Amino acid sequence: AQRVTQPEKLLSVFKGAPVELKCNYSYSGSPELFWYVQYSRQRLQLLLRHISRESIKGFTADLNKGETSFHLKKPFAQEEDSAMYYCALYTGNQFYFGTGTSLTVIP
Amino acid sequence: DTGVSQDPRHKITKRGQNVTFRCDPISEHNRLYWYRQTLGQGPEFLTYFQNEAQLEKSRLLSDRFSAERPKGSFSTLEIQRTEQGDSAMYLCASSSKTGGASFATNEKLFFGSGTQLSVL
Repeated sequence: AQRVTQPEKLLSVFKGAPVELKCNYSYSGSPELFWYVQYSRQRLQLLLRHISRESIKGFTADLNKGETSFHLKKPFAQEEDSAMYYCALYTGNQFYFGTGTSLTVIP
Repeated sequence: DTGVSQDPRHKITKRGQNVTFRCDPISEHNRLYWYRQTLGQGPEFLTYFQNEAQLEKSRLLSDRFSAERPKGSFSTLEIQRTEQGDSAMYLCASSSKTGGASFATNEKLFFGSGTQLSVL
């Protein structure tokens, strides 16, 4: 069965410190992975997707099929990065979301 | 605002009542999704449409839930005989999908602000 696991519900880092939000998935097919973000009082929005290999707002994520992971990383956290982050797996007709990680960047 | 809009933003109802939510997707988007989100959880898939066709419905969805997208534009989600366990945020999202089964690289979900349902 398809599953997305985000082991950390809460994560706090100091401004300027590196941050890594973990995501592991379970899927027998060819996965397409995404990170969605929800800032305070805003709607859920796409942050980045693995297939584009892009860096958005300094964030990157690499799909590791061997470890079935898609961790989100940023070398230097900023206060504006504080938000709720959801990892999502697309299987061709559905998106499966993880339970989310609430990131707080401490000034 | 030309994004996805949902109405109402909040709904309080008594157990046993029926409720209906509306979603207006981005106009050129042919796919429309409904999700449910409870506190501490990620969005949970309920159903989706491609144009007016409802292509998939979650097996977890009881028969009290029904969704329509009659003209391939806006969609409604109805919950009959509401229960306290139905209390949640109901999210709508739309996307533009063309071509075959795989997801094209330039597509993404656009979410609405959601309808917060409270069943008393």
